[in-house]
Amino acid sequence: SQTIHQWPATLVQPVGSPLSLECTVEGTSNPNLYWYRQAAGRGLQLLFYSVGIGQISSEVPQNLSASRPQDRQFILSSKKLLLSDSGFYLCAWGTSGGSRQYFGPGTRLTVT
Amino acid sequence: GENVEQHPSTLSVQEGDSAVIKCTYSDSASNYFPWYKQELGKRPQLIIDIRSNVGEKKDQRIAVTLNKTAKHFSLHITETQPEDSAVYFCAAKGGNDMRFGAGTRLTVKP
Repeated sequence: SQTIHQWPATLVQPVGSPLSLECTVEGTSNPNLYWYRQAAGRGLQLLFYSVGIGQISSEVPQNLSASRPQDRQFILSSKKLLLSDSGFYLCAWGTSGGSRQYFGPGTRLTVT
Repeated sequence: GENVEQHPSTLSVQEGDSAVIKCTYSDSASNYFPWYKQELGKRPQLIIDIRSNVGEKKDQRIAVTLNKTAKHFSLHITETQPEDSAVYFCAAKGGNDMRFGAGTRLTVKP
């Protein structure tokens, strides 16, 4: 069966520091991968999605970037965090050509 | 792009009553409509979904209806239980990206 991992689970970072969040998927090949952000008490905002290695689509222009160096690995990065980057970051996967998306456990980021 | 609106933002019902959450979408090309349940501090969990070629789908106490003409879809929960208390999100998908509603906080009072 498929499993999705995210780490770290929680992170506290000062403003201006860099960020790297990692997501990996097991048990499937060539998945579609997604990064979402959820502000406290709010809905889900799609940040990036990828349909293959090196293919990244950005939905919201901001100081975040994403990369997909391997088929089942998706990384979210920032060179300099802002206070507004605080939130719950969720990675999701779906089958290529399919519609369903399944979420990872998330990373709770607090920027201080 | 797609815009999804969800109502109500909060809903409180007595245990055993029914709960209905409604969503509208703007893009007629959207063809997939899932519903997620998110408990406090946890990841959203897919609970039911429907495709545009189907008008209604049911899974035990949960059902979803879709009206393509009016561009709205609804989640129906019957015989609610305290463990149904959570935030529910609707979404609409056409192509590779999914757009979510703002969520409904459902409270089921024992």
